[in-house]
Amino acid sequence: DAMVIQNPRYQVTQFGKPVTLSCSQTLNHNVMYWYQQKSSQAPKLLFHYYDKDFNNEADTPDNFQSRRPNTSFCFLDIRSPGLGDAAMYLCATSRAEGTETQYFGPGTRLLVL
Amino acid sequence: AQSVTQLGSHVSVSEGALVLLRCNYSSSVPPYLFWYVQYPNQGLQLLLKYTSAATLVKGINGFEAEFKKSETSFHLTKPSAHMSDAAEYFCAVSDHRVLTGGGNKLTFGTGTQLKVEL
Repeated sequence: DAMVIQNPRYQVTQFGKPVTLSCSQTLNHNVMYWYQQKSSQAPKLLFHYYDKDFNNEADTPDNFQSRRPNTSFCFLDIRSPGLGDAAMYLCATSRAEGTETQYFGPGTRLLVL
Repeated sequence: AQSVTQLGSHVSVSEGALVLLRCNYSSSVPPYLFWYVQYPNQGLQLLLKYTSAATLVKGINGFEAEFKKSETSFHLTKPSAHMSDAAEYFCAVSDHRVLTGGGNKLTFGTGTQLKVEL
């Protein structure tokens, strides 16, 4: 089945220690998104890729970076995680047309100690 | 700017009872509207979406929603709740304008936790 996969499902890191979350997709969609969802809150878009073009939301902290080496994979790098970065991180994909559905992965829950 | 308001962060119904989850939106352009469901520790799954075709939209698992422009609402309903419907439900709005390059930006409501009791 075509799907969006996120690894790991749970990630524990230490305060200030860089961490990378990964997302892969078999849908061959050219748009990939990263959302941050804090406890009991709505998902919030951090950035998205259209093919290799990276687009940052205006209020996404510089501490968050992303890489997309190819169509299938996308990585979220948190350079110096703080306690406030503990959250569920959701990856999603879609085709480029504006009305297209976004398909979400299962998420990675990040804990910062 | 677009926004979504979901009235009631927690809704509790009895199994077999009607489910009604409320969503009101604000958009400067004709909106596209979505309902997603999230089970514990899982990603979001699309239930249904409105993209300016029929105002009554049917989705998966027996859910449907009606777009009412005059009320700026897109409430989600299901005639008979099942225990497996217990989850968090998010309403989201997207305008016609794509993000830079492609794709669409979803603005989510804060979610409604649905509890189904025996």
